[in-house]
Amino acid sequence: RKEVEQDPGPFNVPEGATVAFNCTYSNSASQSFFWYRQDCRKEPKLLMSVYSSGNEDGRFTAQLNRASQYISLLIRDSKLSDSATYLCVVNRVQQGGKLIFGQGTELSVKP
Amino acid sequence: EPEVTQTPSHQVTQMGQEVILRCVPISNHLYFYWYRQILGQKVEFLVSFYNNEISEKSEIFDDQFSVERPDGSNFTLKIRSTKLEDSAMYFCASLTAYYEQYFGPGTRLTVT
Repeated sequence: RKEVEQDPGPFNVPEGATVAFNCTYSNSASQSFFWYRQDCRKEPKLLMSVYSSGNEDGRFTAQLNRASQYISLLIRDSKLSDSATYLCVVNRVQQGGKLIFGQGTELSVKP
Repeated sequence: EPEVTQTPSHQVTQMGQEVILRCVPISNHLYFYWYRQILGQKVEFLVSFYNNEISEKSEIFDDQFSVERPDGSNFTLKIRSTKLEDSAMYFCASLTAYYEQYFGPGTRLTVT
């Protein structure tokens, strides 16, 4: 079983749509959680850390359910510039540990 | 805004040759990492480095790989004898005080 699993997509949505990505992780000892975005052939860029209480940054909302080992990302009012691959990432420790990446979910926002 | 830098952006080498990939992490960060991403696959951890020594390494990071922090700013990944399957994007990252890792733009390594 993969340690971090994501639906690979692609998700094709019109501009202005709301889109949700889901992710599950298998190791209950995981400590910290992130969403990164990656554009084609570029580096992963941190979108947001994910906290148990849930957190929001503008159009983006992330949720963590430790009991279900489930992480989500919601994008509201999607823009053409949101087209990218969204990576669900976990870390087993808080400080210094390696990041474990999911395969990524591809999003394509169309006009 | 400080950022992680990497050189070169693209390296082409022949099988069996040695390559050195260079990174300049963000200056006040203490943990440094190398990851790789084979085309079409997920990002994979290679090695982490703290206090001038390796703190963790993956199965991929075998005897052909080494890392060094030769001075106060550079962080290098050396592959002694490259194989075709080493062709990938190699990303350097460093850790902030908030335990978030920021990535450099990557070096695309092509082994022919």
